Amino acid sequence: EIVLTQSPGTLSLSPGERATLSCRASQSVSSNYLAWYQQKPGQAPRLLIYGASSRATGIPDRFSGSGSGTDFTLTISRLEPEDLAVYYCQQYGSSPRTFGQGTKVEIK
Amino acid sequence: EVQLLDSGGGLVQPGGSLRLSCAASGFTFSNYAMSWVRQAPGKGLEWISTIDSSGGTIYYADSVKGRFNISRDNSKNTLSLHMNSLRAEDTAVYYCAKARGYGYYFDYWGQGTLVTVSS
Repeated sequence: EIVLTQSPGTLSLSPGERATLSCRASQSVSSNYLAWYQQKPGQAPRLLIYGASSRATGIPDRFSGSGSGTDFTLTISRLEPEDLAVYYCQQYGSSPRTFGQGTKVEIK
Repeated sequence: EVQLLDSGGGLVQPGGSLRLSCAASGFTFSNYAMSWVRQAPGKGLEWISTIDSSGGTIYYADSVKGRFNISRDNSKNTLSLHMNSLRAEDTAVYYCAKARGYGYYFDYWGQGTLVTVSS
């Protein structure tokens, strides 16, 4: 089973700042099958990124994904107040599909 | 507009059973694999099961294998999860999710239904 470790656990930034979230896999993720989700308080998760770097439908271009192999990054270029959420990475290159433990983004 | 409506959650005693349902609309249900993902209170996400578009191939997480059964009715656009031998650690919000891609990521999610296993 691939273990995904996300860092930092919590990120506290001001509006307009750049947020960089990390997801590290215990072994290489096949074909860079890595997705990112946003979960706002009290809501279901929402797909942001799939295939490590492809934005999902309707996702603003200030969200971007990068990386390959075992190291992946989600970048929010200019934080907005509505970006307050927990962000999860998920690998779907091998079974079982696994999620990271999440990074909480707080807005100062 | 894709909509997934989860239902069937509630309070059940340890060792009991429960059936969750997910009503899908806004897309051709029979063309897509579907999954269940759960989230224990205050915890992260855990994938538990996927069924392919025809229902012919099914996958389970080890944590639920032998106790949970996923099924679908393509004529009614409905996904189900039959949960047996429930344990306290099965307490969670259960989400149905539309699956995409070769290995399955999840592009749309239901609102979730809470299952509480307690005496």
